[in-house]
Amino acid sequence: GAGVSQSPSNKVTEKGKDVELRCDPISGHTALYWYRQSLGQGLEFLIYFQGNSAPDKSGLPSDRFSAERTGGSVSTLTIQRTQQEDSAVYLCASSLGSLNPYEQYFGPGTRLTVT
Amino acid sequence: GNSVTQMEGPVTLSEEAFLTINCTYTATGYPSLFWYVQYPGEGLQLLLKATKADDKGSNKGFEATYRKETTSFHLEKGSVQVSDSAVYFCALSNGGGGADGLTFGKGTHLIIQP
Repeated sequence: GAGVSQSPSNKVTEKGKDVELRCDPISGHTALYWYRQSLGQGLEFLIYFQGNSAPDKSGLPSDRFSAERTGGSVSTLTIQRTQQEDSAVYLCASSLGSLNPYEQYFGPGTRLTVT
Repeated sequence: GNSVTQMEGPVTLSEEAFLTINCTYTATGYPSLFWYVQYPGEGLQLLLKATKADDKGSNKGFEATYRKETTSFHLEKGSVQVSDSAVYFCALSNGGGGADGLTFGKGTHLIIQP
């Protein structure tokens, strides 16, 4: 079956521009997660959704970052006024939530480069 | 807060050697523990997990035992193969039955030479 998909796979943007990253979770997965993977920081957890709600947004690096999920499915991570330190691979994962919370299935990631 | 510490490598071994990758953690309560693997050019995959103390997770010849007394979850394999070359991440989840974010170690790059 289809796994977690993310788009675009690569994004190059100029400093100061806004970007939107998209995640399509596995069908039926109620929980969705965003992570950032960078050389300096390793893998950082950013935010998770149970259904359409995000109980805790404190993992987002700054107020330039926001995320939403609609219809309990697709999620978008938006970065406003991008900075060079935002360059990283952004990973999305999904799981069955309370039914089988332990196994998170990861997408291939979006590589963001801010020039 | 939560944290995971693992040897960063690279770790280079010959085929059929014994592998240990150390992982220790700091967390409140009773976390669940995981090993994820990232093969070259591929996404992160769950390798094995343990959800309570003294549990042993195992998969593809790899094993790790949840040791609460030493706050460790070391990954072992008796005889590695070239195809095991990858980056291995130790991780923990600390609440909501696992339905929350994972805290990862920085990853260990494993290189197996024929």
